This record gives sequence, C-alpha cells and structure tokens, in this order.
Amino acid sequence: RKEVEQDPGPFNVPEGATVAFNCTYSNSASQSFFWYRQDCRKEPKLLMSVYSSGNEDGRFTAQLNRASQYISLLIRDSKLSDSATYLCVVRGGSYIPTFGRGTSLIVHP
Amino acid sequence: EPEVTQTPSHQVTQMGQEVILRCVPISNHLYFYWYRQILGQKVEFLVSFYNNEISEKSEIFDDQFSVERPDGSNFTLKIRSTKLEDSAMYFCASQLAGVTDTQYFGPGTRLTVL
Repeated sequence: RKEVEQDPGPFNVPEGATVAFNCTYSNSASQSFFWYRQDCRKEPKLLMSVYSSGNEDGRFTAQLNRASQYISLLIRDSKLSDSATYLCVVRGGSYIPTFGRGTSLIVHP
Repeated sequence: EPEVTQTPSHQVTQMGQEVILRCVPISNHLYFYWYRQILGQKVEFLVSFYNNEISEKSEIFDDQFSVERPDGSNFTLKIRSTKLEDSAMYFCASQLAGVTDTQYFGPGTRLTVL
C-alpha cells in the first residue's frame, strides 16, 4: 500500500463549484498533515495545515479523520486561479514529509 | 516576506559531470532539506540537514550526492557524476524548527542531464 494516496484527477469543475479531495495515509503514527498547492513546474506552496479539529481558511476547509486515516480538502466557490495540483503531505515523528502524487484541479469558465 | 532562493534556475550538464545546486534558506531557519521531482512524478525527499550535519537521508541519496553548508547562508547539493535519471526539479526547503512547522520551498533548479 502506498504511503500517501491521492486520486490524481483531473477534477474538471466550473467556476463557482464546490470540489473536495481526499487523501489516505498508511502510517497510523503520522502526526502532521498539510495541503500544498503546486502550479505547473513551480515549487509546492503551503495551502494549509490540517488539524484534528478541522480548520477553515476562507473558501478552503481541511479535515482530518485519524480513525480512517484520511484528510480532506474542500474548496468552495472555485475560482479560475484555483487551477493547480493539490498535494497531500504527511509527516510522522521525524521531520521528513511524505508527499502524495497530487490531485489536479481544472476550473473552467 | 522572507523566502528561500535557489540558483541556477536551470542547469544543463553532460552525463558524468559534477553539478552543484545552490540554495539560500530563510535566515533564522534551522532545518534544511533537498527534494527532487522528476517530471510528472511526486516530490521525493532526498536529505535533511540540521546543526551542520545530515540528520536523515533517503535511499535516493547515495554516494553520488553530498550536501554542505559552507557558510552561514548557503546550502548546497552536489551530484558528483550525473546520470540521465538525475534529470529533475530539485527543490530546497527550510524550516524554522519543530515537526509541525511549515517547510518553505525554494523555486527549484531544473537539472537536465544530456
């Protein structure tokens, strides 16, 4: 089983739509969880950390389900500028993150 | 806002040549990393560096790779004898401290081995 799994997509949605991505992880000892955004041929940029209680930042909501070992990202009111690849990142007790392959989102007019 | 910088942005080299990729981490950060991303694939951890020594490294980081922090600001990745399969984007990242702290990535160096 892969350590961090994501549906590669692409998710093709119209502007204004709500879209959700899931990510599953295999290491039950994982401690830190993040969503990064990566534009084509650019560096990953932190979108948000994911906490057990769930957290929201504007149009973005992240949830963590430790029992089922998955994290989710919900994007409301999608914008054209949201088009990117969304990377799920999981860290265990060390500082070494494990990246998923990413989920591609395309928002069209 | 402070940022991680990397040079060069693109490096083209011949197979068997040595390359040095350079990074300037954020100044008060304590942990430094190198990652690579082969085109179309996921970001892969190479090595982490703390307190002037390697703290962890992956299977990818074999004897052909080395890292240095030659002064108080630069952090370099050297590939001694490049192979075709070393062609990738190489990202440097730095982190203030703590496992929950954010890692900030540099813009990357695209390495092309011919």
